[in-house]
Amino acid sequence: EIVLTQSPGTVSLSPGERATLSCRASRNVGISYLAWYQQKPGQAPRLLIYGASNRATGIPDRFSGTGSGTDFTLTISRLEPEDFAVYYCQQYGSSPPFTFGPGTTVAIK
Amino acid sequence: EVQLLESGGGLAQPGGSLRLSCAASGFTFTTYAMNWVRQAPGKGLEWVSTISGGGDTTYYADSVKGRFTISRDNSKNTLYLQMNRLRAEDTAIYYCAPKYYFDYWGQGTLVTVSS
Repeated sequence: EIVLTQSPGTVSLSPGERATLSCRASRNVGISYLAWYQQKPGQAPRLLIYGASNRATGIPDRFSGTGSGTDFTLTISRLEPEDFAVYYCQQYGSSPPFTFGPGTTVAIK
Repeated sequence: EVQLLESGGGLAQPGGSLRLSCAASGFTFTTYAMNWVRQAPGKGLEWVSTISGGGDTTYYADSVKGRFTISRDNSKNTLYLQMNRLRAEDTAIYYCAPKYYFDYWGQGTLVTVSS
């Protein structure tokens, strides 16, 4: 099973600042089968990025994903008030088990 | 419009059973693998199970293997999760989602396992 580690656990930033979130896999996830999700309290998760760098439908271009192999990054270029939330990475390479990272909380400073 | 409507959650005793359903619409159900993902209160997301589009291949997380059974009825566009020998640690919101990365989610159904 591929284990995902996310860092930092929590980051405190102000609106307008840049957020850089990391996701590291215990082994190669294969052709960038890596997704990112945003979750706000009381809501289901929302897909932001799939295939490591492809924005999902309707996702603003301030969200971008990079990386391959075992190291991936989600960048939010300029934080909007609605971006303060928990962010999860997920690997879906080859076949299950699919795994999620423990999450990074982006909190308002 | 894609819609996923989970149901069947509720209160169950340890050792008991529940059957969850997920009614899907707005996409060609048989084309896609379907999944169950859960989230315990205040915790992160956990993949639970996947079933192939035709229903012939299934996968389970180690935490539920041998206790949960995923199935689907493609004539009814419905996904199921039979949950047996429930434990307190199965308490969670259960979501269904298509494909392998999850671009659509239902509202979830809450399962509480407690005596």
